[in-house]
Amino acid sequence: QVRLVQSGAEVKKPGASVRVSCKASGYIFTNHALHWVRQAPGQRLEWMGWINTGNGNTKYSQNFQGRVAITSDTSASTAYMELSSLRSEDTAVYYCARNGGSYGFDYWGQGTLVPVSS
Amino acid sequence: QSALTQPASVSGSPGQSITISCTGTSSDIGGYNYVSWYQQHPGKGPKLLIYDVGSRPSGVSNRFSGSKSGDAASLTISGLQAEDEADYYCSSYTRSTAVVFGGGTRLTVL
Repeated sequence: QVRLVQSGAEVKKPGASVRVSCKASGYIFTNHALHWVRQAPGQRLEWMGWINTGNGNTKYSQNFQGRVAITSDTSASTAYMELSSLRSEDTAVYYCARNGGSYGFDYWGQGTLVPVSS
Repeated sequence: QSALTQPASVSGSPGQSITISCTGTSSDIGGYNYVSWYQQHPGKGPKLLIYDVGSRPSGVSNRFSGSKSGDAASLTISGLQAEDEADYYCSSYTRSTAVVFGGGTRLTVL
């Protein structure tokens, strides 16, 4: 069965960077793009960016331009999201989600909590 | 990119039908048939309910249906059940950045 398993929670200080991993299994990794979505406490879902796992092309939300980088390792069926220059407003649960086609996200990782606090 | 507009909350009694609206622009909902809807229970991750405006993934109840008219989309839940109480989010492909979500709607089953 399809599974997306993310790395564990990480506490970060303002100005630091965080790297969250998302390991896929149960399907051909390069057949589906992967998106990253975050949710601050009590807030809405916010799309961050995506990676075409077949060719490595990426696209990012303008809200994160210059601070986010999404990469993938096809040999490990794993995608990574790195967010830099963290501030308190970046405290959120970060999710990876598989593009099921037509921009519907059919499988989601369990979420990774990243608190940013001094 | 601004979020799509959803009502903050809706409510209904068991057995009733409710509709949640999602308003965008011609650059997102109005321009593409790539509207999705997600259900999120407290403390849980989102679950895909609808994609491509009105298609349901396998396993999703046919009590959930989606539609679109112009720059707005709607999710209808018929035969409301207590377990439907959750947050609901719409999303759309957008020309500018690829994907935009709505602000979310809290459904209360009275």
